[in-house]
Formats: sequence, C-alpha cells, structure tokens
Amino acid sequence: RKEVEQDPGPFNVPEGATVAFNCTYSNSASQSFFWYRQDCRKEPKLLMSVYSSGNEDGRFTAQLNRASQYISLLIRDSKLSDSATYLCVGTGAGSYQLTFGKGTKLSVIP
Amino acid sequence: EAGVTQFPSHSVIEKGQTVTLRCDPISGHDNLYWYRRVMGKEIKFLLHFVKESKQDESGMPNNRFLAERTGGTYSTLKVQPAELEDSGVYFCASSRTGWEQYFGPGTRLTVT
Repeated sequence: RKEVEQDPGPFNVPEGATVAFNCTYSNSASQSFFWYRQDCRKEPKLLMSVYSSGNEDGRFTAQLNRASQYISLLIRDSKLSDSATYLCVGTGAGSYQLTFGKGTKLSVIP
Repeated sequence: EAGVTQFPSHSVIEKGQTVTLRCDPISGHDNLYWYRRVMGKEIKFLLHFVKESKQDESGMPNNRFLAERTGGTYSTLKVQPAELEDSGVYFCASSRTGWEQYFGPGTRLTVT
C-alpha cells in the first residue's frame, strides 16, 4: 500500500466551480502534512500546510482528519490559473523527509 | 529573496558516465534536501543535510550516488557510474526550519 494515496484525476471543472481533493495516508506516525502545487514540468510549490483544526487561505481550505488518516483540499471559485497537479505530502515521525502522493490533476475549463 | 537554484537544468549522458548536479539553497537555509522523480512515479526523498552534515540519507538508492555539502552552502549530487534507471528529475529543496521546504526547478537527467 502506498504511503500517500490520491485520486490521479483528471478533474475537469468549469471556472467558478468548487472542487475537492482527498488524500489518505498509511503512516499514523506522520506528523505534518502539506499541499503542494506543481505546474507542468516545473517544481512543486508549497500551497499550504494542513492542520487538524483546518486552515483557510483565500479560496483554499485544507483539513486533516487524523482518526481517519485523511486529508482534504477544497478550492472555491476555481480560476483558470488553478489548473495544475496538486500533491498531497506528509512527513515521517521524527523526520523531515517529505512523502509525496502521485498527485491529482486539475483542469479548469473556461 | 532568490529561490533555490539548480544546475544544469538538463543533462544527457551515456550509461557508465559520471554526472554532477549542483544545488544552491535559499540564503540562510541550513536544511537542504535532495529528491528524485522517475517517470510515472511519485517524488521520492533521497537525503537531508543540516549545514554540512548528512542528517538522513535513508533514501539514497545505492553507493553510486554521492552527495556533499562542503561548507554548508551549496550541495552536489554525483552519480557514478550512471545507469539507465537513474533517469528522472532531481529536485533540491531547502528550509529554514525543516518543515516548509522550497523546491528548486530541478535537473532533468537522461541516461542513454
């Protein structure tokens, strides 16, 4: 079983739509979680950290459910510029190494 | 603030040759990481430096890979001799605290 699993998509949504991505992780000792965004043939860029209490940054909301080992990302009012691959990332216990999912591809259509 | 830089952006070498990749972290970031993405797979951790010391090298695939960070500034990753399965994109990342890591643009390595 993969340590971090994501639905690869693609998710094709119209501009203005709300879209949600989910991710599950297998290592219950994982301490921190992040969402990264990766544009085609570019480096991953940190989008936001994920906390159990949930956190919001503009149109983006991230949530962590430790009991279910599940992480989510909600994007409201999608923009064309949101088109990218979204990577769910966790860290190990006592380690700073990042464990990546394979990513979920989002295409926002005019 | 300048971001993480990597050199070269692309490298094409033949099997058996040697390649050295370079990473310059964000100024002031003591933590430096190497990651790799091979075709069709997720990005995987290779190793972590804190200043010039190797903190965690559990992801290094074998002894053909050698990473150094002399002086605690830039880092190099040497592959010698390169094999076909070493092809992929090698990313470097840096962090001040360890948690939020900022990635460089990557080096795309092709071994033929």
